[in-house]
Amino acid sequence: GQQLNQSPQSMFIQEGEDVSMNCTSSSIFNTWLWYKQEPGEGPVLLIALYKAGELTSNGRLTAQFGITRKDSFLNISASIPSDVGIYFCAGLRETSGSRLTFGEGTQLTVNP
Amino acid sequence: GAVVSQHPSWVICKSGTSVKIECRSLDFQATTMFWYRQFPKKSLMLMATSNEGSKATYEQGVEKDKFLINHASLTLSTLTVTSAHPEDSSFYICSAIFSGRGTHEQYFGPGTRLTVT
Repeated sequence: GQQLNQSPQSMFIQEGEDVSMNCTSSSIFNTWLWYKQEPGEGPVLLIALYKAGELTSNGRLTAQFGITRKDSFLNISASIPSDVGIYFCAGLRETSGSRLTFGEGTQLTVNP
Repeated sequence: GAVVSQHPSWVICKSGTSVKIECRSLDFQATTMFWYRQFPKKSLMLMATSNEGSKATYEQGVEKDKFLINHASLTLSTLTVTSAHPEDSSFYICSAIFSGRGTHEQYFGPGTRLTVT
């Protein structure tokens, strides 16, 4: 079952606002990945993190790999309507081979 | 780069028939691919790990005789849903590991919507 706690489950924001979501776990992860999924499509990789403390940006998106290796957050700055979708965190544990553990997702709605 | 395709994008079949879904890595080789199932408004549920040239590894609770996986080449894995039933209706998504830069990046296909009538 899922071992990543992702929050919030959903967010309703106004265009231009900043967004923050996070994932936490009781287990240590070696890799954190953040994906965005739009209706009827597969998840699209946004950011990959490989080192504790790593802070990586991709345009208006910024993600960090927590120092404890048990958490990660994703920030979206100056949101726009096309940011709408479900954002998933996914982690890779040393003991799980290449199998990712997914969070439950954060549904983001941006009002123009 | 790192594009994964799936075919078909959607399929409707009758109960009792079998359906094959293809997953291809278009611009890289993938020794490992994964098959997921996703229910509406839910997260992805890993079904199996597909390894090129060897048998797939199934997650607990997934029937290997019902969901046949074949990873015949470094760019193609197939999932065959045998004797499909309405409860098999779902969104099936594959992914492939791109490790060309020495990192683990898993890229997903666009998904296949299966409806069993």
